[in-house]
Amino acid sequence: EAGVTQFPSHSVIEKGQTVTLRCDPISGHDNLYWYRRVMGKEIKFLLHFVKESKQDESGMPNNRFLAERTGGTYSTLKVQPAELEDSGVYFCASRSTVSNTGELFFGEGSRLTVL
Amino acid sequence: AQSVAQPEDQVNVAEGNPLTVKCTYSVSGNPYLFWYVQYPNRGLQFLLKYITGDNLVKGSYGFEAEFNKSQTSFHLKKPSALVSDSALYFCAVTLSGGSYIPTFGRGTSLIVHP
Repeated sequence: EAGVTQFPSHSVIEKGQTVTLRCDPISGHDNLYWYRRVMGKEIKFLLHFVKESKQDESGMPNNRFLAERTGGTYSTLKVQPAELEDSGVYFCASRSTVSNTGELFFGEGSRLTVL
Repeated sequence: AQSVAQPEDQVNVAEGNPLTVKCTYSVSGNPYLFWYVQYPNRGLQFLLKYITGDNLVKGSYGFEAEFNKSQTSFHLKKPSALVSDSALYFCAVTLSGGSYIPTFGRGTSLIVHP
């Protein structure tokens, strides 16, 4: 079974540019999460999808961030325009809905560096 | 609101010695608690969880954790550390019966010396 895959693994952009991160969850996992870790800090929640619906986007920093999950499969997270403080590692995770106590399966993360 | 505290940025231990990585949590209700490990350039991997039942839970790679409700703690332990255990460890909590959005700590770097 393929795990959670994220692309790109590393992106370096200049302030003001746009970046789109992609996440492919484990097949059949309805729940998809985006988290972000800034160096040395906690892993912070950004948002949660159930299928194609945003269940909770309370962690999204501001309206420069847009997440989508069309068709309830893969998800994209767009940052436009990027700012210096957006640098960090963006993790995607998925979870099956079959179990209400299941663990999250994480991708390897997309490291974003904004110069 | 729920939160996790991992008071140590780094834990150093000699190979063969027991290790403990500390975690305390805050949640308004019954918690689900998790430990994840991150090796360099990899994603987080699940180690173990506490949902209900026995306070001592066993997980992957010989790790275990003890849930202590009165102290709101969920410390990760291993009787005999290996150099290959060196990694970043994250504790997480979510509220049972809630929206199931785990809150993570800042991570603890475990360094096992040969």
